[in-house]
Amino acid sequence: GAGVSQSPSNKVTEKGKDVELRCDPISGHTALYWYRQRLGQGLEFLIYFQGNSAPDKSGLPSDRFSAERTGGSVSTLTIQRTQQEDSAVYLCASSPLGSSYNEQFFGPGTRLTVL
Amino acid sequence: QKEVEQNSGPLSVPEGAIASLNCTYSDRGSQSFFWYRQYSGKSPELIMFIYSNGDKEDGRFTAQLNKASQYVSLLIRDSQPSDSATYLCAVNMRGNKLVFGAGTILRVKS
Repeated sequence: GAGVSQSPSNKVTEKGKDVELRCDPISGHTALYWYRQRLGQGLEFLIYFQGNSAPDKSGLPSDRFSAERTGGSVSTLTIQRTQQEDSAVYLCASSPLGSSYNEQFFGPGTRLTVL
Repeated sequence: QKEVEQNSGPLSVPEGAIASLNCTYSDRGSQSFFWYRQYSGKSPELIMFIYSNGDKEDGRFTAQLNKASQYVSLLIRDSQPSDSATYLCAVNMRGNKLVFGAGTILRVKS
């Protein structure tokens, strides 16, 4: 079946602009995660959605970052007033319903460049 | 101490050799452990996961877990140049969040 999809694949924006990144998880996966990966570095957890529960926002680096998940499926990560340090690849992952082990499957990512 | 630690490498092995990748973690209550492979410019790809002490084999890959030592490893037998990538160790901690190590770069030389 189809994997996790993300759009756009690349986004170049000017400092101070807002951006929206989209993630469409694998069908039936109830858990959805956002991560950030700066060049040459590891994955940094941002936010986690599980079903209808309140999201775990503990990884969001500032109040310029927010995310929502509509209808338990598609998610949008919004970065307001972008800064150059926001430049990174933003990765979305989803995990299947009922998984005890939390295996996560990643989308191709969105490469964000803030000029 | 980092929550999940890996040697950054690069680890260089000749083609056909066994590559051994190691990972330690800090949370003794962690339950499941994952190995991801990430090619340059690509997203992480799940190779395998393990949750019981001992070995788990899948093709050329073997994951090993020792919870008492808080240690997990990945062995790649008959290494191929196509195995050259960054290998990420991830640990399921605290409410279904995976904590990732910084990754080990593996280079398989033909």
